[in-house]
Amino acid sequence: AQSVTQLGSHVSVSEGALVLLRCNYSSSVPPYLFWYVQYPNQGLQLLLKYTSAATLVKGINGFEAEFKKSETSFHLTKPSAHMSDAAEYFCAVGFGNEKLTFGTGTRLTIIP
Amino acid sequence: KAGVTQTPRYLIKTRGQQVTLSCSPISGHRSVSWYQQTPGQGLQFLFEYFSETQRNKGNFPGRFSGRQFSNSRSEMNVSTLELGDSALYLCASSRTSGSPGTDTQYFGPGTRLTVL
Repeated sequence: AQSVTQLGSHVSVSEGALVLLRCNYSSSVPPYLFWYVQYPNQGLQLLLKYTSAATLVKGINGFEAEFKKSETSFHLTKPSAHMSDAAEYFCAVGFGNEKLTFGTGTRLTIIP
Repeated sequence: KAGVTQTPRYLIKTRGQQVTLSCSPISGHRSVSWYQQTPGQGLQFLFEYFSETQRNKGNFPGRFSGRQFSNSRSEMNVSTLELGDSALYLCASSRTSGSPGTDTQYFGPGTRLTVL
C-alpha cells in the first residue's frame, strides 16, 4: 500500500526566505509524486509532478521538488517566499492506475 | 477553456436529510473523481466515474453514491446526513481513467457542506 507523510502541519517563513515543505512517501513500486496547492475557498491546483523522468522537477510559481529515492522523499522548495505563496500544500502519491493518496497538508504562512 | 465547476458552492443541511452535489468537468474530460476533505481526515477518495460507469470506489458507506451522465457531468448524493459528513467535497476531472502520472487531474473549487 502507498502512503505519504507531510512533516509539519504548519510552516511559517519570512518573506524572501527559503520555503521548504517536506514530503516522504511509501510505495512498493516506483511512484508518481505530486504537489498541489490550495488557496482559501478554492480547489486544488497542480504545482508539479514527478513521473520517473528528471528527478528535479520544476513547477509553477517558482516552486521545484527533488525526487530522492534513497530517502523516499519529494520535498518542495522555493528560493524566495512571496506573500502570495500563503496557502495549504498537499503532497500526493500514486502508481499505475491507482488513484492518488494525499498527505494531510501543510499550511504555509508568510511573515512580512 | 473553462475549468471544473461545482454547484452549489455552499450548502447547509440538517441531520437525516439528503443532498445532491453537481460537478461539470472540463470540456473533453470523461473521468470525474470525487473527494471528501475534512480537517481531521484530509483528502479522501470517494469514487470515480468514467463513461457513466463507476470505475473506482473509496472506503465510504453506501450512503454516499454518485452517477455520471452522457455529457460527463457527475452528481454525488449523500443520504441520511450525519454531522460527520460536514466537509468540503471536491470534484476532479481528467481526460481518461488512466494513470495519474500521465493524465493530470484538475480540481474544482469544491462544495462546502455543513450538516447541523
